Amino acid sequence: EVQLVQSGAEVKKPGESLKISCKGSGYTFSTYFIGWVRQMPGKGLEWMGIIDPGDSETRYSPSFQGQVTISADKSITTAYLQWRSLKASDTAMYYCARHKYSYNRHDAFDVWGQGTMVTVSS
Amino acid sequence: SYELTQPPSVSVSPGQTARITCSGDALPKKNAHWYQKKPGQAPGLVIYKDTERPSGIPERFSGSSSGTTVTLTISGVQAEDEADYYCQSEDNSGTYAVFGGGTKLTVL
Repeated sequence: EVQLVQSGAEVKKPGESLKISCKGSGYTFSTYFIGWVRQMPGKGLEWMGIIDPGDSETRYSPSFQGQVTISADKSITTAYLQWRSLKASDTAMYYCARHKYSYNRHDAFDVWGQGTMVTVSS
Repeated sequence: SYELTQPPSVSVSPGQTARITCSGDALPKKNAHWYQKKPGQAPGLVIYKDTERPSGIPERFSGSSSGTTVTLTISGVQAEDEADYYCQSEDNSGTYAVFGGGTKLTVL
């Protein structure tokens, strides 16, 4: 079974750093782009960026460029989303998702993780 | 930055047809995809590449494209179809993707 399993909920303080994970299984991890999607409380979905786990090439939305870092370790079939200094406005649910077709940068997300809730509060 | 525009809400009675539109300047050249999002659940893909339906998605879900607008059509709406629906596509250069603002489908 193809699945993405994300790390658990996090509660952090403003200014702290954080790295959440997304582990893929049931398919060849290095051949499918992985993306990250944010949903702030009561708001819509936002496309943050994607990574090619094969060579770690990344693309970011202009809204998130410089605000987060997307990375991947294909040896352990895991993608990451990282913040250096969290803000209260980073409070949201974060989903990782896999592109439908291998080696295709321009694609739909057909497999989703269960989501990681990040709460940033003093 | 690039934007996709959806109506905030659509309401239909059970058995009727719901149509949800998504407008964007790059849509004549870029594929669009549609997702269903229910509270407490991860999004699910219902239409990809404008008109393709993933396996397991009921035939009442269909997609179409005309110029700068793509449309998700749900024929014979059922109560279980009540959800938020989001379109997704790319900017003209294909550098990044965006989601539309989402449409809340209410089944009366």
